[in-house]
Amino acid sequence: SQQGEEDPQALSIQEGENATMNCSYKTSINNLQWYRQNSGRGLVHLILIRSNEREKHSGRLRVTLDTSKKSSSLLITASRAADTASYFCATDTDSWGKLQFGAGTQVVVTP
Amino acid sequence: GAVVSQHPSRVICKSGTSVKIECRSLDFQATTMFWYRQFPKQSLMLMATSNEGSKATYEQGVEKDKFLINHASLTLSTLTVTSAHPEDSSFYICSASDQLSDRTQYFGPGTRLLVL
Repeated sequence: SQQGEEDPQALSIQEGENATMNCSYKTSINNLQWYRQNSGRGLVHLILIRSNEREKHSGRLRVTLDTSKKSSSLLITASRAADTASYFCATDTDSWGKLQFGAGTQVVVTP
Repeated sequence: GAVVSQHPSRVICKSGTSVKIECRSLDFQATTMFWYRQFPKQSLMLMATSNEGSKATYEQGVEKDKFLINHASLTLSTLTVTSAHPEDSSFYICSASDQLSDRTQYFGPGTRLLVL
C-alpha cells in the first residue's frame, strides 16, 4: 500500500524556473528518500533525508522534512529540460528498509 | 552510487509460460532486495522483500506461488512469474540496499514484461 501522497500530481514549468513538490505521509519514518524516473526507466536516487534532519541539499536540489507535519518537499532550482521526469518520495518505515512510495509528481520543463 | 542490474530488460512471452527475472547488485552486497511492480503512469507497488538465505516476505494481495522469489546469494535475487497471463504484463523493478552504508535503496533499470 502507498503511504505517501504527493502534490501536485503534475507540474509544467519553463526552463530556469524553480519546481517545488510536496510529499505527505502517515506513520513515523526512519528516513525519506526522493527518486526520479524517466519514462519507462528505472529509478534514480536523488536524496535521502533522515528523520532527525530538517533540510538537505544536493546540487540544485533542496529537500526539507517536517516530521511534526509528516511532510517533505523537494525543490529543484533553475530547472532544465533534462529535469523532465516523474519524481517520487518514498518512506522507510521498518527495520528492513522497506519503502512505501507516493503517487509521484510528473514534471515537464519546457525550453 | 551503487549499481543494480536487471536481466532481461524486456521480455515477451506466451500466456501460460514462466518468466525469470534476475536482479544483481554489482558492486556491493545486499542482504535484502525488494521487488516492485509498476503499471503505466502509476507509482511503484512493493511486491515482496527478498532476504538472502531465507524465504521472501510478500505484501498483502501478492500470490507467493505466482511470483516465486529466490535470493541465493548476497548479490542475486530472482523473480519468477509462473504461468504468466496477460494481466501480469507490467514493469517489474528490483532494488537493493547496501547494508554497510546508509539505507539508500538503489534500483535496477526494470524489466518490461508483456504476456500475449
